[in-house]
Amino acid sequence: DQQVKQNSPSLSVQEGRISILNCDYTNSMFDYFLWYKKYPAEGPTFLISISSIKDKNEDGRFTVFLNKSAKHLSLHIVPSQPGDSAVYFCAASAYSGAGSYQLTFGKGTKLSVIP
Amino acid sequence: EAQVTQNPRYLITVTGKKLTVTCSQNMNHEYMSWYRQDPGLGLRQIYYSMNVEVTDKGDVPEGYKVSRKEKRNFPLILESPSPNQTSLYFCASSLSAQGASYEQYFGPGTRLTVT
Repeated sequence: DQQVKQNSPSLSVQEGRISILNCDYTNSMFDYFLWYKKYPAEGPTFLISISSIKDKNEDGRFTVFLNKSAKHLSLHIVPSQPGDSAVYFCAASAYSGAGSYQLTFGKGTKLSVIP
Repeated sequence: EAQVTQNPRYLITVTGKKLTVTCSQNMNHEYMSWYRQDPGLGLRQIYYSMNVEVTDKGDVPEGYKVSRKEKRNFPLILESPSPNQTSLYFCASSLSAQGASYEQYFGPGTRLTVT
């Protein structure tokens, strides 16, 4: 059962416009959410995160919104730039018992920003 | 420079021949983890370690072993590799596994092919 879902495998956006990447989750025990960006032939890199006690976190062009009642989060990139073209992974953290935490990733969304 | 290193970067091997993929981090991180990335399946956690001598199974641990004898190293061992373990493997580390400390740093990846 997939606990973190990114239902759009790909997204194309014109340069300068807003990119909105969506993520849904099913486990109400998730308490921390993260977005990672991955370029081909490289490891993922951390982009932005949000605690479950907040509903918005902003860092420059990147903003993450969390709607706990809908179990939904989204990543907004404004304005989109060609260098933002990458695969974006949504991830969520939950306590898994005995002092351990587990991080679960979505399948990723490939963003293409068209010049 | 803060980094996670993996070796080898590429490996082609045959079914049943034991192999080890090394992972090392120089950030004094407590938490380390192994993931595999497969087309259409995103990143799936294999094993993770909260600290030295503390390891736990992730979502897909079958066919893999790990050890954490030192804080900086977290090798992934395939005792008897099979073709379904052909994948792209990432090692990651973070300060801890909780809240804001959970931003993970990823290695560059190891592409493994088992024939």
